[in-house]
Amino acid sequence: NAGVTQTPKFRVLKTGQSMTLLCAQDMNHEYMYWYRQDPGMGLRLIHYSVGEGTTAKGEVPDGYNVSRLKKQNFLLGLESAAPSQTSVYFCASSYHPSGGVGNYNEQFFGPGTRLTVL
Amino acid sequence: AQSVTQLDSQVPVFEEAPVELRCNYSSSVSVYLFWYVQYPNQGLQLLLKYLSGSTLVKGINGFEAEFNKSQTSFHLRKPSVHISDTAEYFCAVSDTFGFGNEKLTFGTGTRLTIIP
Repeated sequence: NAGVTQTPKFRVLKTGQSMTLLCAQDMNHEYMYWYRQDPGMGLRLIHYSVGEGTTAKGEVPDGYNVSRLKKQNFLLGLESAAPSQTSVYFCASSYHPSGGVGNYNEQFFGPGTRLTVL
Repeated sequence: AQSVTQLDSQVPVFEEAPVELRCNYSSSVSVYLFWYVQYPNQGLQLLLKYLSGSTLVKGINGFEAEFNKSQTSFHLRKPSVHISDTAEYFCAVSDTFGFGNEKLTFGTGTRLTIIP
């Protein structure tokens, strides 16, 4: 099992350029998440998906779009990159929390993508 | 809305000394608490979690944490640290556990540096 993988590992963009970050998981998880990590701010949820074909906004969704066309993949898109989007992006996945105490399902994180927007 | 405060952004500790990393939370409902560890240039991995039951929770690598509801705290401890414990540690809270959308709110992190 590769777990959660992210492509690319590093990327430098110019302001206004677009790009897509790919997250893939081979654990058959229903839930997938995109976070950004900034110094002194911890991780903040951008978007998440509770299943194939469904997405929802997180805490900081502006400037990003996502798609979950296949269960194993979750794509994060930047249509017009801005310097404020310079960050480290983490993808995570988990099984559906089946409800009830004791059934918490751990989020598994990918290694991250370091994005710099000039 | 819930929030998490990690009071120390950096904690230097001598090898084999004890360490405590502090975490306080605020929430209007019952919470579930977590500590994640991030080693250099890696993603996060779960260290331990509190869902219910005993307030003292044991995790991997000899770490433990105690849930204190009256003080709204979930401090992380280890009696004797090792060089390999050098990492960033994140406290996180969830109050939507098990109802369809499991979402975590993270603290800002504490960088633990072990001094040989």
